[in-house]
Amino acid sequence: DTGVSQDPRHKITKRGQNVTFRCDPISEHNRLYWYRQTLGQGPEFLTYFQNEAQLEKSRLLSDRFSAERPKGSFSTLEIQRTEQGDSAMYLCASSLLGGSVNTGELFFGEGSRLTVL
Amino acid sequence: DAKTTQPPSMDCAEGRAANLPCNHSTISGNEYVYWYRQIHSQGPQYIIHGLKNNETNEMASLIITEDRKSSTLILPHATLRDTAVYYCMGGKLIFGQGTELSVKP
Repeated sequence: DTGVSQDPRHKITKRGQNVTFRCDPISEHNRLYWYRQTLGQGPEFLTYFQNEAQLEKSRLLSDRFSAERPKGSFSTLEIQRTEQGDSAMYLCASSLLGGSVNTGELFFGEGSRLTVL
Repeated sequence: DAKTTQPPSMDCAEGRAANLPCNHSTISGNEYVYWYRQIHSQGPQYIIHGLKNNETNEMASLIITEDRKSSTLILPHATLRDTAVYYCMGGKLIFGQGTELSVKP
């Protein structure tokens, strides 16, 4: 079990640039989640996938943000035209679906820390 | 909007029980309550979950009120290594703001 892996772990970029983060979930997990966390705050839900279908998106996910999970395995989160307010830790998690509203235990990766200068 | 609230910080003496509360008044009837903890900016780690009944595992106990609007995570014999931020997820994939637990010798 290699766990949830995220890449890159750290990214420093200039305002206005595009960045992309990758998440590889635990192999048998059918659900994948993206969260954002700023210092001193709890993780904020962004979006989640069940297999390749994006089932829910938070209002936090502006049109500069796009997430994909093309084959139901790994996922990417792209931020276009980054702003300083996008600086945060981006966390990915995966789970094995239980009931329709039981997410199952979320297994988190170590996160990708974004700094926008 | 879904709302999950937790006290920002708590102290506990080593060896004593730590009781961490969470309010999740908007939780739906078939949504589980989950608790996670986070250490040193690592990703959150699962502790325990429950629906209606109280639950216990090797890490902690979870007490859920009958109306399911609140719950309490109990660490029965807190150790210094339990110092961390504890998050409650009370439905809709929404985390609370977390309680920073400091276990003191």
